[in-house]
Amino acid sequence: AQKITQTQPGMFVQEKEAVTLDCTYDTSDPSYGLFWYKQPSSGEMIFLIYQGSYDQQNATEGRYSLNFQKARKSANLVISASQLGDSAMYFCAMRDDYKLSFGAGTTVTVRA
Amino acid sequence: DVKVTQSSRYLVKRTGEKVFLECVQDMDHENMFWYRQDPGLGLRLIYFSYDVKMKEKGDIPEGYSVSREKKERFSLILESASTNQTSMYLCASSPGEGSRVEAFFGQGTRLTVV
Repeated sequence: AQKITQTQPGMFVQEKEAVTLDCTYDTSDPSYGLFWYKQPSSGEMIFLIYQGSYDQQNATEGRYSLNFQKARKSANLVISASQLGDSAMYFCAMRDDYKLSFGAGTTVTVRA
Repeated sequence: DVKVTQSSRYLVKRTGEKVFLECVQDMDHENMFWYRQDPGLGLRLIYFSYDVKMKEKGDIPEGYSVSREKKERFSLILESASTNQTSMYLCASSPGEGSRVEAFFGQGTRLTVV
């Protein structure tokens, strides 16, 4: 069963604007971790940000922030001040009980 | 610098061949994973291992097996390759359960079965 859902296959964003990528997850484990990765056209997987299930505050890393809504099982990624180099595929992932599962991904294209 | 290394970047194999994809990590991580990545489907988990000689099925294990004889090495085996196994294969490793550290990925192996 799909545990990570990313409902936006593709998105366009204007340079310097913010974009929100949606991610919902499903787990019965009270302890889990949520990750976002970026995959540019080169294919490498680049870690962006982490949120633990017991973390009280939303994670932030530079221009990336994670909007964590635990009751809704939602972990949306916000990219502020988009740059052309942000054009890539973005994956949401969850680690619970040793397993690390990924969503289908969202392609972001930043327009100049 | 942490590293996950996959033995091949590109492979072309014939239908029915037995195929081995190798992955080695130098970070002393407990957990290792094999995924396949297909357009529109994201990364799908084939198998994972949380310790030497331990393995667990992921979401799409059919047609695959794995081996983890040493902590640093995790092998994916296609017992009899078929054309529907043409895909990009990604290996990853991560520390044990509860860690806040992310998983690290290899560069990927693009396998074509003809």
